[in-house]
Amino acid sequence: KNQVEQSPQSLIILEGKNCTLQCNYTVSPFSNLRWYKQDTGRGPVSLTIMTFSENTKSNGRYTATLDADTKQSSLHITASQLSDSASYICVVSGKGNAGKSTFGDGTTLTVKP
Amino acid sequence: KAGVTQTPRYLIKTRGQQVTLSCSPISGHRSVSWYQQTPGQGLQFLFEYFSETQRNKGNFPGRFSGRQFSNSRSEMNVSTLELGDSALYLCASSLDSRENYGYTFGSGTRLTVV
Repeated sequence: KNQVEQSPQSLIILEGKNCTLQCNYTVSPFSNLRWYKQDTGRGPVSLTIMTFSENTKSNGRYTATLDADTKQSSLHITASQLSDSASYICVVSGKGNAGKSTFGDGTTLTVKP
Repeated sequence: KAGVTQTPRYLIKTRGQQVTLSCSPISGHRSVSWYQQTPGQGLQFLFEYFSETQRNKGNFPGRFSGRQFSNSRSEMNVSTLELGDSALYLCASSLDSRENYGYTFGSGTRLTVV
C-alpha cells in the first residue's frame, strides 16, 4: 500500500530559526514529490515539485531535497518568519496513477516571536 | 492569470439535504481533482476528472458524486448529508495529473452540516 509519512507531526520554533521537516514514502514506481503549504482554512499552495532526477529544489527560504533511493524528502526552512506558521504537506505521485496522489498528514509548524 | 475558483466559500446545510459545490479550474487545465479535509485529518482524495471523464476515484460512498463540463468546470454533489460530511472541500486543477505538473488548489468550500 502506498504511504507517505511526515514527521514531526507538529513543531514550534522561534522566529528567525531554521527547521527541517521530513517526508518518507513507499510510493512506487515514483513519479514526483510535491511540498505544499496550507494556511488554516485555506487551500494548499505549492512550494516545490521534484521528479526522480532532482535532488534539490529551492523556492525562496524553502529548500526541498529528495533521495529517491531511500525514498526520503525533507523541507528546510531558513530564517523562519511568523507567516511560515502553517501546515506543510508532502504529496507523492506514482507513475500511471492519475490524480490519485498519496498525501501525508502534514506537519503543523508554529513560529513564535 | 486567475487561479482556481471554488464557490461557495461557506455553506451550512441540514442533515439529509443535498449540496452542490462548484470548481472553476485555471484556464487550460483539463484535470480537476476533489478532496475532503476534516479537522486534524489529512486530505482525502474523492475523485478526479479529465476531459469530462472520471479518471480516478477514492474510497467514498456513492453519496459523493461529481461531473465535469466541456469547459473543464467541475461540480461535486453530496446527497443525504450526514454530520460527518462537515469538512473543507478542496478542488485542484492541473494540466494533466498524470504528468509532472503541479496541482493548483482553490481556497475551498467550508461545508457545515447541522
